[in-house]
Amino acid sequence: EVQLVESGGDLVQPGGSLRLSCAASGFTFSSYSMNWVRQAPGKGLEWVSYISSSSSTIYYADSVKGRFTISRDNAKNSLYLQMNSLRDEDTAVYYCASGSYCTNGVCRPGDFDYWGQGTLVTVSS
Amino acid sequence: EIVMTQSPATLSVSPGERASLSCRASQSVSSNLAWYQQKPGQAPRLLIYGASTRATGIPARFSGSGSGTEFTLTISSLQSEDFAVYYCQQYNNWPTFGGGTKVEIK
Repeated sequence: EVQLVESGGDLVQPGGSLRLSCAASGFTFSSYSMNWVRQAPGKGLEWVSYISSSSSTIYYADSVKGRFTISRDNAKNSLYLQMNSLRDEDTAVYYCASGSYCTNGVCRPGDFDYWGQGTLVTVSS
Repeated sequence: EIVMTQSPATLSVSPGERASLSCRASQSVSSNLAWYQQKPGQAPRLLIYGASTRATGIPARFSGSGSGTEFTLTISSLQSEDFAVYYCQQYNNWPTFGGGTKVEIK
């Protein structure tokens, strides 16, 4: 059974930093591209970042570019999101999710087939 | 950015009835469209990808149709467990989601 378990969410002040983790099990993690998707309280979904299976390709949404860093450790079956310079508008539940769309040998974020349960990040003074 | 617009915002349906949810893209997304179901306090669950292909384990009462800019998710006979919020998402470009349709009990 595929399992994705996020951790690291917390209350942090504006301008602060936080590192989220996602532990994967039940599938060959090293073969799959991964993503972070967030959902502000009572709001819709927003894709945040993508990383390919080998970490060779990384993408970010404009809203987090330059502040967030995605990474993975395939030996530990883990995905990470380092979040710096946090803002009020970054308050959300953060989900890790697997999935990509590949065409003509190029892969990028696609549909998201498996999701973790999410971890809440609250940015507030 | 491709804007996804879902309608209606809320759909009131009786159990056993058919529900049709609409999703419109601000520009063509070909068939690169997915649908998700989300229940309170839970993560979204993938229902449909490629506009019309059911994900693993999804019941046949869920079906997707459309291409280009107009898409529909149909639930043929609503079960109690189907009352939830449904989101569409395009991945023809950087992924964007619609605002959701809440399917509630009439």
